Amino acid sequence: GESVGLHLPTLSVQEGDNSIINCAYSNSASDYFIWYKQESGKGPQFIIDIRSNMDKRQGQRVTVLLNKTVKHLSLQIAATQPGDSAVYFCAGYEEYSTLTFGKGTMLLVSP
Amino acid sequence: DAGVTQSPTHLIKTRGQQVTLRCSPKSGHDTVSWYQQALGQGPQFIFQYYEEEERQRGNFPDRFSGHQFPNYSSELNVNALLLGDSALYLCASSPGTSLGNTQYFGPGTRLTVL
Repeated sequence: GESVGLHLPTLSVQEGDNSIINCAYSNSASDYFIWYKQESGKGPQFIIDIRSNMDKRQGQRVTVLLNKTVKHLSLQIAATQPGDSAVYFCAGYEEYSTLTFGKGTMLLVSP
Repeated sequence: DAGVTQSPTHLIKTRGQQVTLRCSPKSGHDTVSWYQQALGQGPQFIFQYYEEEERQRGNFPDRFSGHQFPNYSSELNVNALLLGDSALYLCASSPGTSLGNTQYFGPGTRLTVL
């Protein structure tokens, strides 16, 4: 089954820097992944997704890269802002639209 | 457009008691999934409801049960509570069960078992 993990538990950056959060997976039923942002006391918020027929997808200030060969994906946040401080999860879709989450990376943005 | 809503926000129970948590999906969504999130961990899938039936289930004991109503809202019931059941319980809704239908999460219910 799916196993999703993150390389670093905490990432500290300065405001304005670019942030890169990494995620490795072992098996995937779908090669379809979602990045979620979870602020303290809130539920996970959808950021961006990527499907198996893509290796890169861009959103507003965010880019997700998928490398199926090495089973790795990353979330890049451009010009990181204090409001980006949160825990970031990558999640992989199992069959029948159930999600498997990694443990999360806490992004800390200092002014 | 109201997103996914959950009630109550917080709940304190004692071991052995039973609890019911409630979820209203996002407008237009007919599928509800429940997740348990322990402190410092990622959410873990409990089960998914579609057309008032449990469609998929994660690795959780039978003490965890649920229900979906005709208006697509859902309940999560946990019997014989254990200390280890203390967690944030998240409800997520999506428009159908097809792979890739994005799940949108509610704010969660924080359950504390004493």
